[in-house]
Amino acid sequence: SSELTQDPTVSVALGQTVRITCQGDSLRDYYATWYQQKPGQAPVLVIYGRHNRPSGIPDRFSASRSGNTASLTITGAQAEDEADYYCNSRDISGSHVLFGGGTKVTVL
Amino acid sequence: QVTLKESGPALVKPTQTLTLTCTFSGFSLSTTTMRVSWIRQAPGKALEWLARIEWDDAKFYNPSLTTRLTISKDTSRNQVVLTMTNMDPVDTATYYCARTLYSNTYYYDYWGQGTLVTVSS
Repeated sequence: SSELTQDPTVSVALGQTVRITCQGDSLRDYYATWYQQKPGQAPVLVIYGRHNRPSGIPDRFSASRSGNTASLTITGAQAEDEADYYCNSRDISGSHVLFGGGTKVTVL
Repeated sequence: QVTLKESGPALVKPTQTLTLTCTFSGFSLSTTTMRVSWIRQAPGKALEWLARIEWDDAKFYNPSLTTRLTISKDTSRNQVVLTMTNMDPVDTATYYCARTLYSNTYYYDYWGQGTLVTVSS
């Protein structure tokens, strides 16, 4: 299918680890990119390529992929990590772009 | 320093054509591998990719909206323009432009602040 599926919500205790997943057939061929979006703000790039973090993104954010599932892991979640997280990748044709439905992360 | 800023009408009527302009600085669309994309987000909803234009003027559109969208660039003015025809209330959203790079997949490293477009009579 030409879509990316994310769990709508996930919660994590402060300081604990949380994994956010993104499923889609195209992920077998293409990496997922991850964005963080806080209310009223534009998305911020968190992970791109295989597992690259832009300057300024803490190293508690990491990425992995297995089969058709990409994952974003926050190790030692902080209060400021509470946000919506979106994955994106190419579709199977390679020319177009898909976004996942987003995962709202709550830090308890 | 890379910046992007969207501009356009805040309110359009149903059936009208929307024209949005993305004015950017800190990079050039005449540089090989540079791209700019438009992405929108309806209130409370997920991000939705709309269109992309590349340094060589190649253009790509969301297949579900391709008949309504046109993207163009003015390299000398560092602007990218998106037009969307036949606007409908479901098109109410914040529209973002973003610099687009490529590393196995397309990704967006700098975003504009977004511009909210409301479609209502």
